[in-house]
Amino acid sequence: GEQVEQLPSILRVQERSSASINCTYENSASNYFPWYKQEPGENPKLIIDIRSNMERKQIQGLIVLLDKKAKRFSLHITDTQPADSAMYFCAASTGYQNFYFGKGTSLTVIP
Amino acid sequence: GGIITQTPKFLIGQEGQKLTLKCQQNFNHDTMYWYRQDSGKGLRLIYYSITENDLQKGDLSEGYDASREKKSSFSLTVTSAQKNEMAVFLCATETGGARYAEQFFGPGTRLTVL
Repeated sequence: GEQVEQLPSILRVQERSSASINCTYENSASNYFPWYKQEPGENPKLIIDIRSNMERKQIQGLIVLLDKKAKRFSLHITDTQPADSAMYFCAASTGYQNFYFGKGTSLTVIP
Repeated sequence: GGIITQTPKFLIGQEGQKLTLKCQQNFNHDTMYWYRQDSGKGLRLIYYSITENDLQKGDLSEGYDASREKKSSFSLTVTSAQKNEMAVFLCATETGGARYAEQFFGPGTRLTVL
């Protein structure tokens, strides 16, 4: 199976509603969980991350939750705007040279 | 801060051609990666290198060669381009540290094979 599973693969939401993306991982030694946003024609850019010593992190309208017991982490985008439309990738890492990416979620925010 | 440069930005090749993509970084990071991204899809690891002259195969290494002659540069060669192939090749570097590491991506090389 996949080291990191990301769902949904496609997500469409109305402007100003919330969007949630979920990832699960296999390796319980994973301790770093970054989220990347990739706009069309651009490279992925880190937008928020969470480390294994935390359960919740918020940067403005982005919230990341981590449930180590369930080996699950999620990204929640509150008050979505059309500018949030992009591909989003989660990743799980056990440290140096051990990064596994999810397959991505294509988010479309409908005005 | 630092920067990752990938050249060329766009690459058009012919079927069967050998094509080389280059990546330069001035982060002074030891580890560098090459990923392939097909349209609307996730990232698949082709090769990575933990230091100068080191090469490690990823899941997608067949059909590719790589070269890390200097710490600051990591090249990827498509040994025989496949007809109608279209993909973006992303180079990334990784901060050091055994416990927590972060990856930074270059702008990508967009490959089209005619």
